[in-house]
Amino acid sequence: DTAVSQTPKYLVTQMGNDKSIKCEQNLGHDTMYWYKQDSKKFLKIMFSYNNKELIINETVPNRFSPKSPDKAHLNLHINSLELGDSAVYFCASSQDLTRGNEQFFGPGTRLTVL
Amino acid sequence: AQSVAQPEDQVNVAEGNPLTVKCTYSVSGNPYLFWYVQYPNRGLQFLLKYITGDNLVKGSYGFEAEFNKSQTSFHLKKPSALVSDSALYFCAVRDSGAGSYQLTFGKGTKLSVIP
Repeated sequence: DTAVSQTPKYLVTQMGNDKSIKCEQNLGHDTMYWYKQDSKKFLKIMFSYNNKELIINETVPNRFSPKSPDKAHLNLHINSLELGDSAVYFCASSQDLTRGNEQFFGPGTRLTVL
Repeated sequence: AQSVAQPEDQVNVAEGNPLTVKCTYSVSGNPYLFWYVQYPNRGLQFLLKYITGDNLVKGSYGFEAEFNKSQTSFHLKKPSALVSDSALYFCAVRDSGAGSYQLTFGKGTKLSVIP
């Protein structure tokens, strides 16, 4: 069984479009995250939710809006896509906010904006 | 502020030789330290972590890491490298201080094990 899953795996779209990426975890974890990995493989936290409550909201354009309908899901909606949004987006989860907990990552969604 | 440095972009090692991937960190409190591995076109996989206790931590696939507080380092090691260990390795740190929920990653080190 896949622990953290993301859909779609690949997303190719035009500038200006709106798109969503979905994430689900079946680990029973309380905390979920979105990361962005750029072309140089640098990994940066975007958002974190704990029990559906926003905990981390890094300096991300407000075109990016996370939504957590329940503890097992954290979706990412992106409005007015720009070329610079092209990256791999990873969803992750951890047991809870305890700082020693490791995170479990999804397979990633490769977003290409043309 | 917390930060992680991985000074080597790439490490090359012959199969069967020992490998080391370096990591140094900076935090204001005590560190929680992690190593993750990323294979091509895959998500990150957790390898091992240091929270407290023994400075030598053992993890998955025969990897280990040594926490050195005086040198603020957490180098990843393996006694005998395999070709299948070739991947991108990330060190990450989280400060134990209150309110520090964010995990900060290093820029990654590409490990190539040569047959």
